[in-house]
Amino acid sequence: EAQVTQNPRYLITVTGKKLTVTCSQNMNHEYMSWYRQDPGLGLRQIYYSMNVEVTDKGDVPEGYKVSRKEKRNFPLILESPSPNQTSLYFCASRTGGKQYFGPGTRLTVT
Amino acid sequence: AQSVTQPDIHITVSEGASLELRCNYSYGATPYLFWYVQSPGQGLQLLLKYFSGDTLVQGIKGFEAEFKRSQSSFNLRKPSVHWSDAAEYFCAVGKSSNTGNQFYFGTGTSLTVIP
Repeated sequence: EAQVTQNPRYLITVTGKKLTVTCSQNMNHEYMSWYRQDPGLGLRQIYYSMNVEVTDKGDVPEGYKVSRKEKRNFPLILESPSPNQTSLYFCASRTGGKQYFGPGTRLTVT
Repeated sequence: AQSVTQPDIHITVSEGASLELRCNYSYGATPYLFWYVQSPGQGLQLLLKYFSGDTLVQGIKGFEAEFKRSQSSFNLRKPSVHWSDAAEYFCAVGKSSNTGNQFYFGTGTSLTVIP
């Protein structure tokens, strides 16, 4: 089944403790992206990647890092999480005009 | 700067009634336009998209949208709403750059369907 998977789905952590949210797609898509969703703000793009080793900042990249060493994986790294990064995070991959979204990761930073 | 405005935070319609969700965008070039739907606890699903050509585009689940360049709008419509259409709807604009595509989403419109 074609899908985008994210892990973990739920995470509660403390300020400053480094964490990684993994994202994987099995559709051989070149384009992948990370978004955060906050009430009243919709989705905002954090980073995107056109292909392996090609990444670029979206609208809200501060406090986040990404890497794209393989086509199928696009992890989101929070080196020093802060409470304002509490949010719902979505990974997506794209082919042509259609983005496929993962199920989301709900992150709480205390 | 690019932006997407969905002026209606919440809309309530009766089942069987028609629906129109508004979307206005601010973008200097020809936009790529999208509508997504998000059911509670779910990811986003693409309803339809506009890249070029016919300004009236058909999507899944009986939805359609019309691109009006003069009004910078891309409103979503459905002639007869079903209870299962209750969800959050997001309009989005895609922008091409040398390194790929950036996407900008509106803040969403929550749709309630009453029997």
